[in-house]
Amino acid sequence: EAGVAQSPRYKIIEKRQSVAFWCNPISGHATLYWYQQILGQGPKLLIQFQNNGVVDDSQLPKDRFSAERLKGVDSTLKIQPAKLEDSAVYLCASSSPQGGPYEQYFGPGTRLTVT
Amino acid sequence: DQQVKQNSPSLSVQEGRISILNCDYTNSMFDYFLWYKKYPAEGPTFLISISSIKDKNEDGRFTVFLNKSAKHLSLHIVPSQPGDSAVYFCAASDEQFYFGTGTSLTVIP
Repeated sequence: EAGVAQSPRYKIIEKRQSVAFWCNPISGHATLYWYQQILGQGPKLLIQFQNNGVVDDSQLPKDRFSAERLKGVDSTLKIQPAKLEDSAVYLCASSSPQGGPYEQYFGPGTRLTVT
Repeated sequence: DQQVKQNSPSLSVQEGRISILNCDYTNSMFDYFLWYKKYPAEGPTFLISISSIKDKNEDGRFTVFLNKSAKHLSLHIVPSQPGDSAVYFCAASDEQFYFGTGTSLTVIP
């Protein structure tokens, strides 16, 4: 079974630029999560999708962050414009009810550096 | 507002001994707790979980204990192996997931 795929693995941009991250969840997983992990902290949930609908985006900075999950499979997370404090690892995870109610499978993450 | 706390940023243990990683939480509505293990440059991987209706769950060398009155859970690894060296995150869930800041475990051969 292929795992959660994310790209790019690393990205360096200047502040005020835009960036997009891509995630392909495990096949058949209806729920998809985007997390932000700042150095020295635990992952923080940004947005949760159930199929192509948003379940929770309460911690997503909507003035600069956006995410979509077209067709209920792949997802993209965009930051526009980026700030220095957005430097973090962005993790995508997916889960399926059959895998246990709360068992999430994480991708390797995208490390973003904003200069 | 950190709802899940791991107060020990690092822990070193001799191979073969017990590793005990601790986690405290503040929200009594959390009904599910998980431990994740993370190697460098990889995403976290699920390790073990426990429902709030239980106080212990065991899986091989890994045991998670939950003390609801103290709002405390712990992960025991017995015996510890060098391959267990990683960062361990605890997480708690009501309808959303909240992660601790992680404890870096080093198992010394």
